[in-house]
Amino acid sequence: DSGVTQTPKHLITATGQRVTLRCSPRSGDLSVYWYQQSLDQGLQFLIQYYNGEERAKGNILERFSAQQFPDLHSELNLSSLELGDSALYFCASSVEETRHNEQFFGPGTRLTVL
Amino acid sequence: DQQVKQNSPSLSVQEGRISILNCDYTNSMFDYFLWYKKYPAEGPTFLISISSIKDKNEDGRFTVFLNKSAKHLSLHIVPSQPGDSAVYFCAASGISNSGYALNFGKGTSLLVTP
Repeated sequence: DSGVTQTPKHLITATGQRVTLRCSPRSGDLSVYWYQQSLDQGLQFLIQYYNGEERAKGNILERFSAQQFPDLHSELNLSSLELGDSALYFCASSVEETRHNEQFFGPGTRLTVL
Repeated sequence: DQQVKQNSPSLSVQEGRISILNCDYTNSMFDYFLWYKKYPAEGPTFLISISSIKDKNEDGRFTVFLNKSAKHLSLHIVPSQPGDSAVYFCAASGISNSGYALNFGKGTSLLVTP
């Protein structure tokens, strides 16, 4: 158990809908990262927050947004969903935001768009 | 653009033998490298890391070798055990406009047979 929790575990929805994925980092971790893993793909970085502030963006679509709240949990919002958004979404956390910190991953949320 | 490549999608090794997983990268700005292990229905778990100032790091049965001139790293598992059967992801980080996000390869599925 990494200490990172993600809810829900599974989510099935229809095209055009909007969903929210939730992540609670390990106790004491200030940095939260979101990654997407599509079929046959490695994990693709989406966005990072540090202590409530957006720090970096990767290949995140404009239909996607995220935020980190004062209690440090984070939410990833996916809107106008398309079939291609079906994927595993992982949240990871680390103590700081230096590149020499390993990131601890949650179990993921499997999103299926029908 | 895949900056971290794991060219072997799968590897099968007998129990007790050495498993060697390979990883290549293209971005010379990467200076920290990690290996993650992933079981089905779980998030990736940190295994071992190496900084670019070193060429070898060892942790029990796991050793990571880094060849900066070749932009190549490898993970050696000796001796391999059936419980090592999982997908192994190579990841790298460095100065980039993606902050301290990890750049992942697509993974190598390792099967250790009794």
